[in-house]
Amino acid sequence: GNSVTQMEGPVTLSEEAFLTINCTYTATGYPSLFWYVQYPGEGLQLLLKATKADDKGSNKGFEATYRKETTSFHLEKGSVQVSDSAVYFCALSDQGTTDSWGKLQFGAGTQVVVTP
Amino acid sequence: NAGVTQTPKFQVLKTGQSMTLQCAQDMNHEYMSWYRQDPGMGLRLIHYSVGAGITDQGEVPNGYNVSRSTTEDFPLRLLSAAPSQTSVYFCASSYSIGEAYEQYFGPGTRLTVT
Repeated sequence: GNSVTQMEGPVTLSEEAFLTINCTYTATGYPSLFWYVQYPGEGLQLLLKATKADDKGSNKGFEATYRKETTSFHLEKGSVQVSDSAVYFCALSDQGTTDSWGKLQFGAGTQVVVTP
Repeated sequence: NAGVTQTPKFQVLKTGQSMTLQCAQDMNHEYMSWYRQDPGMGLRLIHYSVGAGITDQGEVPNGYNVSRSTTEDFPLRLLSAAPSQTSVYFCASSYSIGEAYEQYFGPGTRLTVT
């Protein structure tokens, strides 16, 4: 079956540091890949997405590239801010099966803490 | 637009009690779903609906029922609460099953079963 594996947290960084959160996946079809972010006390929000190999998703200074050869979708940001403190979820939606109405398969989430 | 709304925000139940978690969306989305979030496990799909009158089970459906009588509403019923159902519950909706649709999440309901 499909699965998503994320690096465990928490990840603690100083402001302006470089952030990388690793995400790898297994899928039977042709997945679309997503990063969702959950700020404290809130629901999840879509951060960025990529729908095919070599696509790069980007938003709010975050980037992730869909790497089919390594089945990865690592999230990066060059200079984090305190306001980036949140839990980040990698997810996939497998569009390649008849049952694939678009169910999201989530990773366990990675908590990021940015200190001033 | 209010987006996806959920009520209540917090709830404490005793084992064996029943309750309904409410979810509504005003975006005319066809697809709605319920997830539970547990530490270290991400979000897991409980039930989903591809349109009014149509529901199906997700990954962890046991102990929960759903119905979809209107496009807007998708309530989740706990028939006989158990401590294992202590979790944060999120409702989500999406417009399309297209190539890379986005799911919109509600703010969540934190449920504690004692």
